[in-house]
Amino acid sequence: GAVVSQHPSRVICKSGTSVKIECRSLDFQATTMFWYRQFPKQSLMLMATSNEGSKATYEQGVEKDKFLINHASLTLSTLTVTSAHPEDSSFYICSAGGGARTIGYTFGSGTRLTVV
Amino acid sequence: GNSVTQMEGPVTLSEEAFLTINCTYTATGYPSLFWYVQYPGEGLQLLLKATKADDKGSNKGFEATYRKETTSFHLEKGSVQVSDSAVYFCALSEGDKIIFGKGTRLHILP
Repeated sequence: GAVVSQHPSRVICKSGTSVKIECRSLDFQATTMFWYRQFPKQSLMLMATSNEGSKATYEQGVEKDKFLINHASLTLSTLTVTSAHPEDSSFYICSAGGGARTIGYTFGSGTRLTVV
Repeated sequence: GNSVTQMEGPVTLSEEAFLTINCTYTATGYPSLFWYVQYPGEGLQLLLKATKADDKGSNKGFEATYRKETTSFHLEKGSVQVSDSAVYFCALSEGDKIIFGKGTRLHILP
């Protein structure tokens, strides 16, 4: 149990376009979703936390207008990178929170975004 | 706030060597502690976890013991293999959120 599916795994887009990344909890209800970003050879940094049906809470330094997060249902959260630029190229990973039994287990497999 | 500090890499060992990757944490309350592994080009995999003091997490020959008195969760393996080459992240829970250390890159030479 506690499986999270993230899609797509890789995406290449042109500078100026927008990219949407989906994160789904497959067998539990995710009341909270977390979005992380990983720069090459660095650790995962939390970008934002979203609770179903409410606005996301962004970490300091993360542009909320650049990284739009929607958590419209208990099984789906999306991250949209708007007007992407090469510096947005990174590895993005989601994690879903659904109570004590899911803590630590529920990471997606990540999305590698390359903006050209 | 809560934080995790782990030894910087890269760590390079020969096959069958003993591995230790140090990890210490700062936290209020009683977090769960984790080790994750990331193989080249892949996402995170949970390697092991411990939820309370003196718990030992183990998996695939790796072990780590939750030491409250030293606020540590060092990762050990008695005999490493080339296939263990990866980046290892120590982490702790803060509610549902996971806070990661900076990661330690491990290279195992045949």
